[in-house]
Amino acid sequence: SSELTQDPAVSVALRQRVRITCQGDSLRSNYASWYQQKPGQAPLLVFYGKDNRPSGIPDRFSGSSSGNTASLIITGAQAEDEADYYCNSRDSSGNYLFGGGTKLTVL
Amino acid sequence: QVQLQESGPGLVKPSQTLSLTCTVSGDSVSSGTSYWSWIRQPAGKGLEWIGRIDSSGTINYNPSLKSRVTISLDTSKNQFSLTLNSVTAADTAVYYCARIMSGARWGRFDFWGQGTLVTVSS
Repeated sequence: SSELTQDPAVSVALRQRVRITCQGDSLRSNYASWYQQKPGQAPLLVFYGKDNRPSGIPDRFSGSSSGNTASLIITGAQAEDEADYYCNSRDSSGNYLFGGGTKLTVL
Repeated sequence: QVQLQESGPGLVKPSQTLSLTCTVSGDSVSSGTSYWSWIRQPAGKGLEWIGRIDSSGTINYNPSLKSRVTISLDTSKNQFSLTLNSVTAADTAVYYCARIMSGARWGRFDFWGQGTLVTVSS
């Protein structure tokens, strides 16, 4: 199906590691991109492709992919990482999909 | 640095047409390496991809909106536009324009406009 599924909410203790996952059939043949969105702001690209981080994004953000699941990993979460995170992929028709979003809380 | 800026009416009446324009700087909408896209986000909800266009004239629309949406390019003004027909309250959202860079197995939305709130109300 042309959908991307994310857990609605995830929490992590300060400076600990957290994994945010995204599942969908399109991920079997296309990599995910990941976006961070804070209240009142536009989404910000934080990770994409097999192993790519845009300039200016801290190296605590990384990604992985296996089968129909993509993951965004934050190693050593900081208070400023508290945000909504969205995955995105392209399907076989050339259409783009967004996951429903995961609200990350840093405790 | 690539910048995008949405513009258009913030209030549209039900059953009428929503029209927005995105002005691009720092890149050309005629570029063969970039795609141009619209995304929307209702208050408190997630992102919904609306569609994308490239300089070759290839256009893709979200199947759920395809019957009501048109995206077009104006290369002379370095802009691209969105029209959405027969709007209802369900179309009330922040509308974003964004650039897509596409690869063989990925597409990333690397630059976004700040977003513009469009309210559908009489």
